Parts: sequence; structure tokens; C-alpha cells
Amino acid sequence: ILNVEQSPQSLHVQEGDSTNFTCSFPSSNFYALHWYRWETAKSPEALFVMTLNGDEKKKGRISATLNTKEGYSYLYIKGSQPEDSATYLCASRGTSYDKVIFGPGTSLSVIP
Amino acid sequence: DAGVIQSPRHEVTEMGQEVTLRCKPISGHNSLFWYRQTMMRGLELLIYFNNNVPIDDSGMPEDRFSAKMPNASFSTLKIQPSEPRDSAVYFCASSFLGGEFIQYFGAGTRLSVL
Repeated sequence: ILNVEQSPQSLHVQEGDSTNFTCSFPSSNFYALHWYRWETAKSPEALFVMTLNGDEKKKGRISATLNTKEGYSYLYIKGSQPEDSATYLCASRGTSYDKVIFGPGTSLSVIP
Repeated sequence: DAGVIQSPRHEVTEMGQEVTLRCKPISGHNSLFWYRQTMMRGLELLIYFNNNVPIDDSGMPEDRFSAKMPNASFSTLKIQPSEPRDSAVYFCASSFLGGEFIQYFGAGTRLSVL
């Protein structure tokens, strides 16, 4: 069973602060890593899909890195804004035919 | 495309009643997923279909839960009989196996079993 973990469980930051959180997954069984953003009362929406070791992806103030050898990915938010408040989920796939396994998420609250 | 469409958005029922949740995936997607969101377990995969065939139903809690996908554009998740502990938000998602496999989620069905 693929175990995907995320830390911290929750995070409170001031508007303007930069922040980051971690997703860890079994490095021995890896095909792709997804990041999703889940706002309260909405549905999860994809941010990034990464497959290669060393991959870095960026969308506006949000970026992500991937280390498949050690089994972790970081999500960074630069200059957090209240609208960044959401739960950030990562999900891992072991092979090209596998389902994605979601982690428990990191809940981010940005205080104005 | 209108995205993944789920119905109903809200369902309130009494314990013991049958509940049917419906999902229309994005046209052209060949994979469909049913998830359940709870406070305790977060987003939990119940069942995964590929080309209308159930591939992994290991997350289906018990025999009271069943899911079908009679064709590429429709799926149902049925709970019979329903129990209060089934109260949760149920999400359907679709994707294309062969691409990046991004999950596109519906708006969810909030189920309350009294």
C-alpha cells in the first residue's frame, strides 16, 4: 500500500509571509506526483503534475519541487494572500496504471 | 465541457433508506472515481473504474455500498441501507488514463443520514 504523508497538518501565516509544506511518498514505487488545492466548500483542483526527479513547476506565486530519490515534494507559496487559504493535497501514483493515492492534506490559513 | 456533474448536491435521508448518488464524467475521460470526504479520514477513495470496469473497489466500506458504471457517461453509487455514519460529502472525479491522469472533481454530494 502506498503511504502518502503531508506535514504540517495545518499552518497559520500572516498575509505576505512565504510558506512551504512537505509531501512524502515511497521512493521505491513512484510514477507521478500531483498537487491539488482544495478551497472550503469547493472541489479539489489540480495545481501541478510532476514526474521527473528535480522537476520544478510554478504557477504564479506557487511553486513545487520534486525529489523522487528521497521521496518528497515541497510546495512553496511566496507572499501568501488570504485567497491562498485552502487545503493543499498531494497524491502519488506508483505506476502508469495505478490510481492516485492522496495524502491527508495541509490546511493553510492566511491571516489578513 | 460542463465538467463532472454530480447529483443531487444535497441529500437528507433517514436511517435505513436507500440512497443513490449520480455522476456524469467529462466526455472523453476513461476513468472514474468515487471518493468520500470525512473529518477523520480526509479524502478516501471508494472505487475506481477504467473503461466502465471496476478496477479497485478495496475502499468500499462494506456490502451496503455498491457502484455501477453502465456506460462511459454515467455512474451511480448506492448505499442500502443507509446509516448515520455514512453522512459525508461524496465526490466523483474523472480522468484520462494515458495522460497526466489529473483528477477533475465534481461539486460533491453532501449526504446526511438521520
